[in-house]
Amino acid sequence: DQQVKQNSPSLSVQEGRISILNCDYTNSMFDYFLWYKKYPAEGPTFLISISSIKDKNEDGRFTVFLNKSAKHLSLHIVPSQPGDSAVYFCAAYSGAGSYQLTFGKGTKLSVIP
Amino acid sequence: SQTIHQWPATLVQPVGSPLSLECTVEGTSNPNLYWYRQAAGRGLQLLFYSVGIGQISSEVPQNLSASRPQDRQFILSSKKLLLSDSGFYLCAWGVYSYNEQFFGPGTRLTVL
Repeated sequence: DQQVKQNSPSLSVQEGRISILNCDYTNSMFDYFLWYKKYPAEGPTFLISISSIKDKNEDGRFTVFLNKSAKHLSLHIVPSQPGDSAVYFCAAYSGAGSYQLTFGKGTKLSVIP
Repeated sequence: SQTIHQWPATLVQPVGSPLSLECTVEGTSNPNLYWYRQAAGRGLQLLFYSVGIGQISSEVPQNLSASRPQDRQFILSSKKLLLSDSGFYLCAWGVYSYNEQFFGPGTRLTVL
């Protein structure tokens, strides 16, 4: 059972435009969320996180929004750059003291120059 | 700064052969260490984690085992590989639970 769902396997966006990557979760115990970026044949790189006590966190071009009632979060990249082309994973922890990160299957973002 | 190393980068092994993948972390003490696997078309699945030397927690029953002989060394092993063990194996470290984990470059394992 997929507890973290990234329903769009791929997304194409024009350079300079906004990229919006979506993530839904089913486990109401999840309360800390992270986004990772992964290039082929490399390990994932941490991008940004958000705690359930917030609904928005911003870091440069990256903003994560959390809607707890809908069990939905999204990652916005503005403006999108060709170097952003990668697979993006959403991940979640369930409760302080948790060691297990539950990952979605990822969304492949292609930014077209 | 902290760095994490994994080797080998790629590995092709026959079914039934043993496996040993090694991960080491530099620049930090007493890290939490993790082994993940990414199978084709799937997300990352946590296999094992360790909060200290000799302490291993298994998340998924399987054909694999893990050991932590030293503070910054984490080893993933198998006595007999199965076809289903093929995948991309990632080691990660973190300072605390419930916090960012930092991943190594990964090992692509193909079992034939």
